[in-house]
Amino acid sequence: AQSVTQLGSHVSVSEGALVLLRCNYSSSVPPYLFWYVQYPNQGLQLLLKYTSAATLVKGINGFEAEFKKSETSFHLTKPSAHMSDAAEYFCAVSAPVKAGTALIFGKGTTLSVSS
Amino acid sequence: ETGVTQSPTHLIKTRGQQVTLRCSSQSGHNTVSWYQQALGQGPQFIFQYYREEENGRGNFPPRFSGLQFPNYSSELNVNALELDDSALYLCASSLNSKPLLEQYFGPGTRLTVT
Repeated sequence: AQSVTQLGSHVSVSEGALVLLRCNYSSSVPPYLFWYVQYPNQGLQLLLKYTSAATLVKGINGFEAEFKKSETSFHLTKPSAHMSDAAEYFCAVSAPVKAGTALIFGKGTTLSVSS
Repeated sequence: ETGVTQSPTHLIKTRGQQVTLRCSSQSGHNTVSWYQQALGQGPQFIFQYYREEENGRGNFPPRFSGLQFPNYSSELNVNALELDDSALYLCASSLNSKPLLEQYFGPGTRLTVT
């Protein structure tokens, strides 16, 4: 069965510092992996996705993630944090359900950015 | 291009009542998925509809049911509400149900059961 584990429920960084949010996955098939961001009182917005085309995936707002099969990881990074990056971040993996596809989400990581 | 919309935004119901939540898909999308997000948790998959048929279901009891209409809009119905049903309910649409495709999320409906 597919699952993801997000290490660290809360990450705090200073503005301009490196952002690193950790995600490990478990999948019985080659995984499709996603990172979503959720701002307060809003739905989820896709940051980036891995679909096996390239192991280093670039997303919106300067975020990127690297797929490492040997480590079963898909960590999200950004070189320099902005105040506007403060939000909840979710890692997710696609899972087959009957004839369709579900997203299986981690519990999320809250990113705080201080000035 | 119109995004995914959901109604109502907020809802307060009493335990034992029934509720219907609505979702309009993004233009051109024929697949709708529903998720429940409890406070402080990640979203959990409830079910998915593809061309008006249930395409897959998560670990939710039968009192959670759904419909998809010919215009691909969708409803989530919950009967016999329980306190634990209090959550943000998210609808997501996609071009079809293939696993590599992005699901586009609406803003959600916040349900409070008292």
